Formats: sequence, C-alpha cells, structure tokens
Amino acid sequence: DTAVSQTPKYLVTQMGNDKSIKCEQNLGHDTMYWYKQDSKKFLKIMFSYNNKELIINETVPNRFSPKSPDKAHLNLHINSLELGDSAVYFCASSRTGSSSEAFFGQGTRLTVV
Amino acid sequence: AQRVTQPEKLLSVFKGAPVELKCNYSYSGSPELFWYVQYSRQRLQLLLRHISRESIKGFTADLNKGETSFHLKKPFAQEEDSAMYYCALTPQGGKLIFGQGTELSVKP
Repeated sequence: DTAVSQTPKYLVTQMGNDKSIKCEQNLGHDTMYWYKQDSKKFLKIMFSYNNKELIINETVPNRFSPKSPDKAHLNLHINSLELGDSAVYFCASSRTGSSSEAFFGQGTRLTVV
Repeated sequence: AQRVTQPEKLLSVFKGAPVELKCNYSYSGSPELFWYVQYSRQRLQLLLRHISRESIKGFTADLNKGETSFHLKKPFAQEEDSAMYYCALTPQGGKLIFGQGTELSVKP
C-alpha cells in the first residue's frame, strides 16, 4: 500500500496553462505539505496544512493555490504556468509535532514548454 | 535566520572507504535535525534523526551544538549507499528546512 501518492507522475504542459497535482495519504496523518525541488535538487517548502487549515505559506506566487478537501488530501493547483515553474513537486505528510517523520510521495515532474 | 548548509554538492568515495557528509545549521532555538535520503528513482525517506541517536544502515550522526553541526558518517561505504542525502532542520510547525543536498557516489 502506497502511503503518500501523487498524480500525475509526469506532467508536460505549455506556458499559460492551468494544471493540478493531486496528493493523497492513507497514514492518518493530520499535516500535509508541498515541497518544490528545483533543477539543482534544492528542496524548499511551499505550503503546509494541518487538519485542512493552511498553517505555512512560504513566499510562493499566488498562481499556486493549495486545496485540502479533507485531511487525507492536499492538491496543488497552478494557474498561468511559467517556464520557471518546471520542477519536481513533492507532497509529504506527518503527524503533528516537530520530531515526526515526514513521508514523501514519489514526486511529480512538471515540465513547462 | 534558519538555515541548513551542506557544503559538498558531490562526494565521491571508493567502496570500503569512510564517508562523512557535512551539515551545518543556523537556528536560535533547540533544533530537531534529520538526515533524509533519496535513492535513484525512489522517494525521499528518513534515514535518521538526532533525537533517536541510532545507527541506520551503518550511518550515524551526532549533533554538535557548539559547532552547530550534524555530520553524517559511515566507517565503510557500500555501493548501495550511493544516493542524494539531505540534512534537514525542523524549527516549528513540522516543516522541514533542507540543505542543498549532497550526492554520494560510492565507486567499486
């Protein structure tokens, strides 16, 4: 059973399009995250939700909008895609608490052409 | 400022050699520190955390508050250790602040 699953795994799209990435976790965790990994493999947090409420929103363009319909799902919608949005996006989840292990999805490789 | 620094982007060693992946952090409070690993074509996963003080796959890491370091060490590297290693800090709210990552290549 996959603990944290993301779809799609690969996404190629044109500039200006709107796309969504879905994430689901079956671990019963109440906190979920989105991270972005750039071309240099640097990982940076974008958003964090706890029990469907946004608790962390790093400096991310407002073209990126996370949505959490329930605590097992955290989707990422991106409007007006730009070339610089090309990256690997990772979803993760954890129990609440700073020492809790984060479980990651397999990543979604987004390529904007 | 909260920051994690991994000075080496690539570390290449021969099988059986000792390996040390460096990690330094900047944080004013009491940090929670982790090492995560990403093997080729696999998802990022926890390797170890400082509060557990455990050895995983032969790797250990000791938190040195005086030097603000959390270096990852293994006395004898194996080819299957080749992967991307990330040091991470959790200040609050559970979010992870990652270092830039170090790619470890263990050659036969």
